[in-house]
Amino acid sequence: SAVISQKPSRDICQRGTSLTIQCQVDSQVTMMFWYRQQPGQSLTLIATANQGSEATYESGFVIDKFPISRPNLTFSTLTVSNMSPEDSSIYLCSVEEGGKSWRRTFGSGTRLTVV
Amino acid sequence: AQSVTQPDIHITVSEGASLELRCNYSYGATPYLFWYVQSPGQGLQLLLKYFSGDTLVQGIKGFEAEFKRSQSSFNLRKPSVHWSDAAEYFCAVEGGSYIPTFGRGTSLIVHP
Repeated sequence: SAVISQKPSRDICQRGTSLTIQCQVDSQVTMMFWYRQQPGQSLTLIATANQGSEATYESGFVIDKFPISRPNLTFSTLTVSNMSPEDSSIYLCSVEEGGKSWRRTFGSGTRLTVV
Repeated sequence: AQSVTQPDIHITVSEGASLELRCNYSYGATPYLFWYVQSPGQGLQLLLKYFSGDTLVQGIKGFEAEFKRSQSSFNLRKPSVHWSDAAEYFCAVEGGSYIPTFGRGTSLIVHP
């Protein structure tokens, strides 16, 4: 299965600043996904990022707040913009090899704390 | 719309005891069902999945789950828990949108 390297693993940021999270995959994948895992909550899909097209955002998430780049088939970034303490969460990237949900792999996550 | 409920936030078991984690789903047809495990500081790892066929599914690390359509359930079981099984467990359901919905997770605590 694909191996995902996600950076940073954790960060503490000041409110009002932005953080860019990187997701590197060791193989080419069409679909990459960004999730948020708030404390004590389940994973919530933020957006789907396909190479060469605009990311598709889920309800409640907007591009201005969570801009996503997908420059090639092995890399994506998620930026958390103008952060507030409510953005403190774990952010995870995920890929599906061959578009198959049973070949879904997750990165180890970025634990973000906004102070 | 699809949804999934994990009614237990925490489960505490003794090492060597049996384990059952509950998962109930809501979906109009037979969905795809998954169980994932998340160890501290790690991403989610797929334990097992159900798509169709045999309703008793075997997974990794000695886990199994049984799909019961009549109860809309997909409970995870293990006959003998090891201390290394302490982690967060997530049930997920995937319907026609092919985007999974995750439960809020059950934290498993294992006492020696």
